[in-house]
Amino acid sequence: DADVTQTPRNRITKTGKRIMLECSQTKGHDRMYWYRQDPGLGLRLIYYSFDVKDINKGEISDGYSVSRQAQAKFSLSLESAIPNQTALYFCATSDTGGASPFFGPGTRLTVL
Amino acid sequence: SQQGEEDPQALSIQEGENATMNCSYKTSINNLQWYRQNSGRGLVHLILIRSNEREKHSGRLRVTLDTSKKSSSLLITASRAADTASYFCATDAGGSARQLTFGSGTQLTVLP
Repeated sequence: DADVTQTPRNRITKTGKRIMLECSQTKGHDRMYWYRQDPGLGLRLIYYSFDVKDINKGEISDGYSVSRQAQAKFSLSLESAIPNQTALYFCATSDTGGASPFFGPGTRLTVL
Repeated sequence: SQQGEEDPQALSIQEGENATMNCSYKTSINNLQWYRQNSGRGLVHLILIRSNEREKHSGRLRVTLDTSKKSSSLLITASRAADTASYFCATDAGGSARQLTFGSGTQLTVLP
């Protein structure tokens, strides 16, 4: 089984719909991250979480919200999706020792 | 804003040749990391170089870091067609968040 899983892997939705992307990990890491990647660009940080009670905004948090339901689960929500949120979304985890983040396989989201 | 800027944006070489990619960044860092991404897939961590290191090797990879110039290079020796991918540098400015700031990437194509 993969250490970091993301569901769904692909999603097509319409403008104004609410979308939730889920991430779960079996690595036992405390820290979890959500990034988005746009074509031809690097990753940009949306939100990150140190633990279940700690949520922090990243570089581009507007239009997104997150929930850390458990140490192993970190979900990203788009309350009202818009076309410019079409992107590849990655979840990542890291431990408190500062190991390099471990990335999930990504979710390709298309907002029509 | 993105901290790292990769150069070149795209590179096409013949199998067996060496590939060099450069990364420049703007602020002080704790470490710099290189990642590889096959088309539309997740990121794979390649190598990490700390701010007090100048050069690091891993298999066919050689990374250099010049903190005075705020730049790093990734050299892939004896390239193979399977090395075709996008390569990203990411800087870790330290602190408790362990956030990474990614560059926009270099698309490497190795022709057989």
